[in-house]
Formats: sequence, C-alpha cells, structure tokens
Amino acid sequence: DIQMTQSPSSLSASVGDRVTITCRASQSISSYLNWYQQKPGKAPKLLIYAASSLQSGVPSRFSGSGSGTDFTLTISSLQPEDFATYYCQQSYHTLLFTFGPGTKVDIK
Amino acid sequence: QLQLQESGPGLVKPSETLSLTCTVSGGSISRNNYYWGWIRQPPGKGLEWIGSMYYSGSTYYNPSLKSRVIISVDTSKNQFSLKLSSVTAADTAVYYCARHAWSSASNEFDIWGQGTMVTVSS
Repeated sequence: DIQMTQSPSSLSASVGDRVTITCRASQSISSYLNWYQQKPGKAPKLLIYAASSLQSGVPSRFSGSGSGTDFTLTISSLQPEDFATYYCQQSYHTLLFTFGPGTKVDIK
Repeated sequence: QLQLQESGPGLVKPSETLSLTCTVSGGSISRNNYYWGWIRQPPGKGLEWIGSMYYSGSTYYNPSLKSRVIISVDTSKNQFSLKLSSVTAADTAVYYCARHAWSSASNEFDIWGQGTMVTVSS
C-alpha cells in the first residue's frame, strides 16, 4: 500500500499569509496527486489534480507542485474562506486510492 | 450542472447490510472516462476510499473492504449503489458518493455528493 503523510497536521495563520502544506508518499507516485479542501459539515472539494493542475473555478491563489514522493499545496494569500482542512490523495495505485491524514488550517 | 445525492437509511443494526444509493442529475452516468465512487469519513477522522465503478460494470474495491462491498449501477435510473455487509460500529461514518474522473494522465474525485451519515447501532 502507498502511505500518505502530511505536514503539519495543523497550523494557525492570518489572513494574507502565505501557507504551504506538504504531502509525502511512501513510494513514487509520479504526478498522481490531488488536493482537496473540506469545511466542517461539508463534502471535500477538489482544488488541484495531477499535482499542479488547478480545478476549474478554484481561485488562482491555490497552487500545487511536486512529483515523485514530495508535493506541496500553497495558498499565496490566505483568505477568510480558506480556513478548512486540506487532504492530499494519491491516484497512482489504482487498486487502492489513499488519502493523507489532513492538515487543519485555522485562524491565528 | 452535474449533481450527486446520496440516499438511504441513517441507522443500520450491527451484522446487517448498509445500502445507499447515489442519484446523478444534470448529466449521464454512462459518460465515457468517468467512474463513480464511494468514499467514507468516520466522525472526526479522515477519508477512506471504498470503491469505484464504471457504467459498464467494471469495479475497483478497497482491498480492506472488498469481501463486504458491492457497488452496482442502474443506468436507466442514472443511479449507482453501495452495499456493505456485516457492518459493525467501525462502519459508522459519513458516506459520500463522487464522480471519479479517470484518464491516463490523472484521476480524481471531481464532483461530490453532500454526504449522508450512517450510524451502526442496535
């Protein structure tokens, strides 16, 4: 199985801050990495697919990078609506799609 | 635009079978390059992929659940369904259905239902 880890598990930030979240896979997954945002009581929302492709309708302040085992999600200028939990997900192993444990971003 | 909506009992007894249906509106479930999947989230925990299927019937299941899961499709109703047998309290979770966009370059869950809470309790 491909294990996904995320760091940090939580962070506090202010509006306007640049925020970076890291996701690491236990083996190379090429660019088969997606990022989701989840707000309390809501379904996850796809932000980034294939490591760096911005999903339609997602603000350009969100960006993704990386390949192989190490990936990052960056929010260039944190907005009030961005306070949420962020999950990475590998889609390389098509017999077992796995998610990272999540990173909670809250208000400083 | 495409919307997905889960439906089914919110309470299931231990050892019984959990059954949920996802109704797809605003588009066809028979569209090429799209699978249809189920993901669950126990209270306060992370996301777990359960399985995905193509409208033609091919399926992929999480190996940890494979012996208890069946995902099926009814193209005439534009619906797909989840059955999880022999449930225990550990199966208590919010269950989401999602469209699973699948190509050679990527695959991702791009549209999600709102989720439905299922509690396993006697």
